[in-house]
Amino acid sequence: QKEVEQNSGPLSVPEGAIASLNCTYSDRVSQSFFWYRQYSGKSPELIMSIYSNGDKEDGRFTAQLNKASQYVSLLIRDSQPSDSATYLCAVNTGTASKLTFGTGTRLQVTL
Amino acid sequence: NAGVMQNPRHLVRRRGQEARLRCSPMKGHSHVYWYRQLPEEGLKFMVYLQKENIIDESGMPKERFSAEFPKEGPSILRIQQVVRGDSAAYFCASSPWGTNEKLFFGSGTQLSVL
Repeated sequence: QKEVEQNSGPLSVPEGAIASLNCTYSDRVSQSFFWYRQYSGKSPELIMSIYSNGDKEDGRFTAQLNKASQYVSLLIRDSQPSDSATYLCAVNTGTASKLTFGTGTRLQVTL
Repeated sequence: NAGVMQNPRHLVRRRGQEARLRCSPMKGHSHVYWYRQLPEEGLKFMVYLQKENIIDESGMPKERFSAEFPKEGPSILRIQQVVRGDSAAYFCASSPWGTNEKLFFGSGTQLSVL
């Protein structure tokens, strides 16, 4: 079992719709969770972090965390073509050293 | 305020040669992380360094790979006697705090081994 699992996609949503991206993790001691966006051929960019159960909203983005189910998700409201990218889920298991990344979900927002 | 600078962007090596990848962190950042991204795979942690110290190299292959972050100058990831399986994108990230709460990534070096 992979430490951090994501559906590779592509996830295709029409412009203006809500995109829902999901991630599960295996290590129960995981403490902090991150969503990075990576455009093709570019570097990852942090868009959301979440540390406690529940929802965290930032503009069109909402991160949701359920530690009991070991599940974290990212919702993108009013999806735009510029949101088309690969979204990487990353988990910190408590060390200062490393984040464990999922393989990413490719999102395509269609006109 | 320049971001994390990596060079070269693209590096081509023949099998058996050495590859040197450079990373200059953001100004004021003294913590550097190296990650490798293979095609269709996620970013894999390799090593975490502070100035003049290797803090965690648990993700580094045991042989041929080394990293340093000297007091002056960029961090260097060195791969000796490269093999085709080393072909990947190598990303450097920096942080000011010594945690990975917010990492700033460079543009990466795409290493191709012929």
